[in-house]
Amino acid sequence: NAGVTQTPKFRVLKTGQSMTLLCAQDMNHEYMYWYRQDPGMGLRLIHYSVGEGTTAKGEVPDGYNVSRLKKQNFLLGLESAAPSQTSVYFCASSSGTGFQPQHFGDGTRLSIL
Amino acid sequence: GQNIDQPTEMTATEGAIVQINCTYQTSGFNGLFWYQQHAGEAPTFLSYNVLDGLEEKGRFSSFLSRSKGYSYLLLKELQMKDSASYLCAVMDSNYQLIWGAGTKLIIKP
Repeated sequence: NAGVTQTPKFRVLKTGQSMTLLCAQDMNHEYMYWYRQDPGMGLRLIHYSVGEGTTAKGEVPDGYNVSRLKKQNFLLGLESAAPSQTSVYFCASSSGTGFQPQHFGDGTRLSIL
Repeated sequence: GQNIDQPTEMTATEGAIVQINCTYQTSGFNGLFWYQQHAGEAPTFLSYNVLDGLEEKGRFSSFLSRSKGYSYLLLKELQMKDSASYLCAVMDSNYQLIWGAGTKLIIKP
């Protein structure tokens, strides 16, 4: 009954370091999403995937890369972290579009010093 | 541009009723979602409206007027556990969700 699992839950990085955030879902969902949530702003879509092996850019893709090698996993990479990327990152999945609600993981709180 | 507006914060009393409004301007419309988000937790799905009118689900109801670009979430018989942020999101013509900044609801005894 795990749903969407994100690792790690917290991380502190120094400017210029790289890291990968992992998202795993066990609901056999086709669609997966990466969002960032900043104070006073709505969730903003970074990248998304409509199926295994596919990825697409969202609203704020710069500075991030993603991969969806397996249907259940969606990875978000930061190649060279910047303080502006300090945020809470949420992964979500859904079985489709339209009336299919997105199910969210618990988030990763990332601080870039 | 695309825009979702909702009040930043609201306060209500335990046992009372509160209405949280959401207005939107988006490129296309494929439905409106309401999510609840407790502090430090993930958003969880509450309701979905795609046709005009009221959808009722227990203590929570959601209303939509597409012609006015307007929705509200109505919470009845408020409980302390309803203290949370309520997020309004519209699915646009590309089937992507455009999110409001959320309304923080504070429940007082």
